[in-house]
Amino acid sequence: DAKTTQPPSMDCAEGRAANLPCNHSTISGNEYVYWYRQIHSQGPQYIIHGLKNNETNEMASLIITEDRKSSTLILPHATLRDTAVYYCIVRVRGGGSNYKLTFGKGTLLTVNP
Amino acid sequence: NAGVTQTPKFQVLKTGQSMTLQCAQDMNHEYMSWYRQDPGMGLRLIHYSVGAGITDQGEVPNGYNVSRSTTEDFPLRLLSAAPSQTSVYFCASSILGTPNTEAFFGQGTRLTVV
Repeated sequence: DAKTTQPPSMDCAEGRAANLPCNHSTISGNEYVYWYRQIHSQGPQYIIHGLKNNETNEMASLIITEDRKSSTLILPHATLRDTAVYYCIVRVRGGGSNYKLTFGKGTLLTVNP
Repeated sequence: NAGVTQTPKFQVLKTGQSMTLQCAQDMNHEYMSWYRQDPGMGLRLIHYSVGAGITDQGEVPNGYNVSRSTTEDFPLRLLSAAPSQTSVYFCASSILGTPNTEAFFGQGTRLTVV
C-alpha cells in the first residue's frame, strides 16, 4: 500500500470548515483513499473513501486531486466533538489477504470553541 | 445490532500470565482483525482472518495466537504476557470484496502487564 503523509496536528474554530490534507504521491491506479478518525480512547471510525472522484456523505467531503497524489478531507462545520486523530489510508479495495488497513500517526485535529 | 464487542475493557496481568481477549461481531462479517495501539503511535496489525478456519499474521504477531472457529468470534490469546504487551487492543471486522469495505472497530481493551 502507498505511504501517506499528514501534518501531525491542526487547529480549527468551531463552526468553521476543517480541511485536513494528505499526500500520497506513490498511489497506484487501483488504490483507494480512505479516511478514519479516532476520538480519544475509542475505536477508529470510518468516515469516507474515494478513488478519483470527489465524494460526499453525511459526515464529510473528500477532494482528490486530478493526479491523485494528494487529497483533502473537509468537515464543513466542525464541532467540538470532531476533535480526534484523523487517519488517511491508501489501500487496494477488495477482499482476501489484501485487506489490511495500515495506520500511520494521523493528524490530531483540535476544534476550539 | 451490537456491532463489534470486545471484552474485557480493562485488564491487569502479571508477567508470565496468560489470558484471552474476546472479540465478537454480529454483522456476519468474513474479515476480522486485531490491532494494538501504543502511546503516540498508530494502530499496528497483529493477526487477521478472512473467514472461519483461516488466520494469518500481521506486522506484529509475536507473542500472540489467534483462532477463528466461528464467523462471529475472533479471540486473541497471550500465552505468556510480557510488559512489552502493555497496550490498547482493538478488534475490527468488515465484509470482504466490493462494494463496501468499511471496517467496524470495537471500543478496545486496555491491557497492562506488570
